[in-house]
Amino acid sequence: DTGVSQDPRHKITKRGQNVTFRCDPISEHNRLYWYRQTLGQGPEFLTYFQNEAQLEKSRLLSDRFSAERPKGSFSTLEIQRTEQGDSAMYLCASSFPAGRTEAFFGQGTRLTVV
Amino acid sequence: AQSVTQPDIHITVSEGASLELRCNYSYGATPYLFWYVQSPGQGLQLLLKYFSGDTLVQGIKGFEAEFKRSQSSFNLRKPSVHWSDAAEYFCAVGAGGGATNKLIFGTGTLLAVQP
Repeated sequence: DTGVSQDPRHKITKRGQNVTFRCDPISEHNRLYWYRQTLGQGPEFLTYFQNEAQLEKSRLLSDRFSAERPKGSFSTLEIQRTEQGDSAMYLCASSFPAGRTEAFFGQGTRLTVV
Repeated sequence: AQSVTQPDIHITVSEGASLELRCNYSYGATPYLFWYVQSPGQGLQLLLKYFSGDTLVQGIKGFEAEFKRSQSSFNLRKPSVHWSDAAEYFCAVGAGGGATNKLIFGTGTLLAVQP
């Protein structure tokens, strides 16, 4: 399968714990995006990378959140000291460089903070 | 500021009936527009996109959408709905200048299909 892959699909964690999610983009894509989707809402942009460079971060990305994309391949999103408000679906997408191209989304990681 | 409005939170149609899902956007320049579909617990699948040119665009699964600049709308249509079309539908606009895939999404329309 050459689509966008996210791991894990589901994560339940206790409040205050750290969690890390992984995203493997489509191999030819050098842009990678993270979105967060809460219940009943559309996805909200968090951050994006072009190759290994993180080019933009949303104000939604508090200092407890950090994203990396070493070597411009897979990406990780870490949340430190999780809070109940972090419970959401975290979606990863990838695309070719900017232009007339669409983003392809992964299946998402569902985070539940208890 | 850029925004997308989907006025209908929930729509129910009968199988075989026609469908129109509304989407209005606010964007200063020529928008790049998208419709995505999401099944429960799943990621997003692209149905169709508009970048320029013909304002009526065809997508997968028999969907089409029409871009109307004067109305700032990009409504999604399907002439005959199938039970498998039950899902949540999101309209999105590509924002951020060159980063066309920094997407701003609407809140979605949940489609239910009656037998």
